[in-house]
Amino acid sequence: GAVVSQHPSRVICKSGTSVKIECRSLDFQATTMFWYRQFPKKSLMLMATSNEGSKATYEQGVEKDKFLINHASLTLSTLTVTSAHPEDSSFYICSARGRSETQYFGPGTRLLVL
Amino acid sequence: GENVEQHPSTLSVQEGDSAVIKCTYSDSASNYFPWYKQELGKRPQLIIDIRSNVGEKKDQRIAVTLNKTAKHFSLHITETQPEDSAVYFCAASRAGNTPLVFGKGTRLSVIA
Repeated sequence: GAVVSQHPSRVICKSGTSVKIECRSLDFQATTMFWYRQFPKKSLMLMATSNEGSKATYEQGVEKDKFLINHASLTLSTLTVTSAHPEDSSFYICSARGRSETQYFGPGTRLLVL
Repeated sequence: GENVEQHPSTLSVQEGDSAVIKCTYSDSASNYFPWYKQELGKRPQLIIDIRSNVGEKKDQRIAVTLNKTAKHFSLHITETQPEDSAVYFCAASRAGNTPLVFGKGTRLSVIA
């Protein structure tokens, strides 16, 4: 299957700082990338859908000024958690989709805000 | 919008037995139904998917069935092994750029 990487895998930051997470499709062009948040023992909660070269579409209840998404190329999307607070601590996973409907997930980023 | 219900939330089976996980969806326009396996702390991995023009698909010990009329689809794992223990998610989506809608997951435990 296709390969999606995500960096960093783990990050600890102080409250009030911003954190950037990168999602890359390594061997295919991802026309669409998705960002999810997953709480322990829970399902994947879609945060936003990002298409290359256009603004991201955010799900209801997700603050677009808090979670900045940029999809500058067909292989890279970034999620920036701005002014992070402890309640933003979570497991963030991206996925990428090319021409088919199949979504391939990145390995996830575990964010801990102190 | 689409709503996907998944049952059961937890499932324990003896090694060698079969496991069945069921999902229902609400949007009759959905036509793509993947199943993902997620081990603790890892990414979800696609294990099998089915499109609405097919009623059943099999890959070794894993099979998926789809009933479009009833709007439900199921995952069947035969001859279960301890390494099958994980959380399994079903999902549904329409064609195009619409995102997948996931079920809440089933935690499968295979007891040796």
